[in-house]
Amino acid sequence: DPKIIQKPKYLVAVTGSEKILICEQYLGHNAMYWYRQSAKKPLEFMFSYSYQKLMDNQTASSRFQPQSSKKNHLDLQITALKPDDSATYFCASSRHRDRVAEQFFGPGTRLTVL
Amino acid sequence: AQKVTQTQTSISVVEKTTVTMDCVYETRDSSYFLFWYKQTASGEIVFLIRQDSYKKENATVGHYSLNFQKPKSSIGLIITATQIEDSAVYFCAMREDSNNRIFFGDGTQLVVKP
Repeated sequence: DPKIIQKPKYLVAVTGSEKILICEQYLGHNAMYWYRQSAKKPLEFMFSYSYQKLMDNQTASSRFQPQSSKKNHLDLQITALKPDDSATYFCASSRHRDRVAEQFFGPGTRLTVL
Repeated sequence: AQKVTQTQTSISVVEKTTVTMDCVYETRDSSYFLFWYKQTASGEIVFLIRQDSYKKENATVGHYSLNFQKPKSSIGLIITATQIEDSAVYFCAMREDSNNRIFFGDGTQLVVKP
């Protein structure tokens, strides 16, 4: 069974619209993250959450808003979508935030903005 | 500033041989953690191995091992007895102890041929 679920796998949106990317992890981890991978840039850190609290935000735009309704959920809401937002968005999780812990990645959501 | 550099864009080897992938990093932290991940053709990102900066011994997991040269800020990945299924993009990554963002290199494409 998949340990980190991301929905949907593929997403096509029109410029200016709003979408929510879903992430659920069943690893019992208490820290979760969002990363973005585009053709122009390598994997980029976006956000980190620990115990449902935002710990780190490296995304300049407020159009990207993480939402954590449960400890094992970290969704990503993106508003006013732009073509440059086209990328694969990966959710990740780890056991601890402040201790050494490798992060495990979900399968990703590939977003295309037309 | 934190930075991870992988200069090898692509490497091709014959199966059952040994391959080394290079990675250098920049950090001002005295404590940090280095990781190698691979991304398969399907896009899945898989954690492989970790090296803690304070450990002198090179980490080894299965047929993956690391060549950690701290004075050179270098962390090479060595794969012995390569297999066709090792073909993937390999990412070097670093996390400083002061935060939990992981910085990734641009990746090295490994092709293992029969």
